[in-house]
Amino acid sequence: DIVMTQSPDSLALSLGERATINCKSSQSVSSGSPNKNYLAWYHQKPGQPPKLLIYWASTRESGVPDRFSGSGSRTDFTLTISDLQPEDVGIYHCQQYYSTPTFGQGTKVEIK
Amino acid sequence: QITLKESGPTVVKPTQTLTLTCTFSGFSLTTHGVGVGWIRQPPGKALEWLALIYWDDDTRYTSSLNNKLAISKDTSKNQIVLTMTNLDPADTATYYCVHPSATGGPFEYWGQGILVTVSS
Repeated sequence: DIVMTQSPDSLALSLGERATINCKSSQSVSSGSPNKNYLAWYHQKPGQPPKLLIYWASTRESGVPDRFSGSGSRTDFTLTISDLQPEDVGIYHCQQYYSTPTFGQGTKVEIK
Repeated sequence: QITLKESGPTVVKPTQTLTLTCTFSGFSLTTHGVGVGWIRQPPGKALEWLALIYWDDDTRYTSSLNNKLAISKDTSKNQIVLTMTNLDPADTATYYCVHPSATGGPFEYWGQGILVTVSS
């Protein structure tokens, strides 16, 4: 199985700051021409199921604010929250769907 | 509107078998390309994909659980069932029913989850 590793495990930022979360896969999760990146990001608030934020590494799900952006290809991916808001706290998970689905260990985002 | 809801026991003894049901609405498991599955999350830990069943009865399982799992569907009831044998306290987790909006895609729809505790 493809192993997904996120960094950092947690981060605490002030409101309005930029959050950057990295996700690295143990092998490429990209294929095709043009290149498709089989990588998704989810946001999970306490006591709730994860919510899909981004898929194909950079496509925002309908209704997701544009302060969320995803980038990267092959084995290295990044989720950026450009202007941290109170409702953005929680755990962020990356997931590859190139093969048998696997998730990163999660990154906890808090407000300082 | 697509919804999924998990049901089943919330406490199970070690070595017992767990049976969880997911009842869904807003789509049909008889439609080409449609799949429904299960993901779990132990308290404070990472998400783990478990199994998926497709409209054509194709089933997929995580390789990490050594044949402990079985997934089935009842299209007349809009339900899928997950069976997990020989439970261990390490199987304590919230179990989510999930539906990818496209075959092989990310998981767009999630149930609220059911916390299953394995304890004697």
